[in-house]
Amino acid sequence: DIQMTQSPSSLSASLGDRVTITCRASQDIGNYLTWFQQKPGKSPRRMIYGATNLEDGVPSRFSGSRSGSDYSLTISSLESEDVADYHCLQSIQYPLTFGSGTKLEIK
Amino acid sequence: QVQLKESGPVLVQASETLSLTCTVSGFSLTNYGVIWVRQPPGKGLEWMGIIWRNGNTDYNSALKSRLSINRDTSKSQVFLKMNSLQTDDTAIYYCTTPLMDAWGQGASVTVSS
Repeated sequence: DIQMTQSPSSLSASLGDRVTITCRASQDIGNYLTWFQQKPGKSPRRMIYGATNLEDGVPSRFSGSRSGSDYSLTISSLESEDVADYHCLQSIQYPLTFGSGTKLEIK
Repeated sequence: QVQLKESGPVLVQASETLSLTCTVSGFSLTNYGVIWVRQPPGKGLEWMGIIWRNGNTDYNSALKSRLSINRDTSKSQVFLKMNSLQTDDTAIYYCTTPLMDAWGQGASVTVSS
């Protein structure tokens, strides 16, 4: 199975900060990488697919990028509504596998 | 509008079988598959399996011996059954589309010993 190593596991940042969350794939997954946002008590919401494609309706302060086997989700200027857990997912190979998640809080 | 909704028991006894239903609307199960994902309390997401539009299935190897996914296309329903439940199967169980761009609200299941 492909392992997705997500870091950090938790992150506390100030409003307006630039925030980056990273997932590293244990094998080549191309651009088959999806980012989800999950607010407390809610279902996951797809934010970015194909590593860099923003879902319709997602604020432009969110972006996705790739450098080799490292995939990043960046929030350019943190807002209070961004407090959530974030998960990455590889979908190139079954079983699909998620990262362990990142809890993002406001400092 | 694509919608999914999970239903099933909230409390299940250990060693028994969990049965959950995912009722979909806005699409046909003969055109799109359905994935099941679960999330233990305070933990990350785990992909459980998929039933494809042709009715074939793929399962997480860690669950394969206990898990089955079936469907009734006429009722737009997908069924998850998992036997030999243990307390660490306590989780929220979600159904979602193959691209995971639409999710149900989740079914919270507690396995009691």
